[in-house]
Amino acid sequence: DAGITQSPRHKVTETGTPVTLRCHQTENHRYMYWYRQDPGHGLRLIHYSYGVKDTDKGEVSDGYSVSRSKTEDFLLTLESATSSQTSVYFCAISETRASGNEQFFGPGTRLTVL
Amino acid sequence: GENVEQHPSTLSVQEGDSAVIKCTYSDSASNYFPWYKQELGKRPQLIIDIRSNVGEKKDQRIAVTLNKTAKHFSLHITETQPEDSAVYFCAASAGGFKTIFGAGTRLFVKA
Repeated sequence: DAGITQSPRHKVTETGTPVTLRCHQTENHRYMYWYRQDPGHGLRLIHYSYGVKDTDKGEVSDGYSVSRSKTEDFLLTLESATSSQTSVYFCAISETRASGNEQFFGPGTRLTVL
Repeated sequence: GENVEQHPSTLSVQEGDSAVIKCTYSDSASNYFPWYKQELGKRPQLIIDIRSNVGEKKDQRIAVTLNKTAKHFSLHITETQPEDSAVYFCAASAGGFKTIFGAGTRLFVKA
C-alpha cells in the first residue's frame, strides 16, 4: 500500500460537535482527495487539493471544510456533525502521469454521528 | 454534471464462470478509465485501467473494453474464483486529476 494513513480509524460523536479527520501521506503526491462512501452511492468526492493551500469543492461539499498547510497533510473538518454525515471516509492521493491518474486510497475512517 | 453509471449493482456467478460489469459515462472529454476492487473492510485498489486511445486491455483473467463512440466501458473477469468476490468500481477521468466513480457492483462468486 502507498504511504497513506488516516486518523482516527473509528470515531463516534454526537450531533452538533466538530470533528476533524486527518490524512497523512509520505509519497509527496501533489493531489489529495476526501471521499465518503455510502451504500448505493459508491465514492463521492467531498473536497480535493491540488497543492498546498489550494483546495476546491467536490460534489458533496456542504457541511465540510478542508485545509492543507503541508504537502503531506490534508484535514477534513465537519464543523457541526449531523447524522447524515455518518459514513466511511476515504482519503486518496494521486500524481499526474502520462499513463493516467491512478488514485491510492488510505485505509478509511468510520464515522458515526449519534 | 459528469456522471458514471454502473450496472449491475449486484452480480452472482458460479466459480469458473465469467463476470461482466458495464459502465457508461457522460463527459465526452473523459480519457482515463480505471477499475478498482474493494474487498470487505478494505480500501479500494486499482486492478486495471485503460486510456481512450486503446480499445481493449487485458491482464491475466481480467480485461477492460472501451467504446468511445457509445461512451461505454466494461470489465470482464474470466474463470472467476472465490477471491474475486468484492465490490468493483468503475471510474472516468477527463484528463485532469478529478475522477468520477460509479456506484459499484457487488460480485459474489459461489464455490
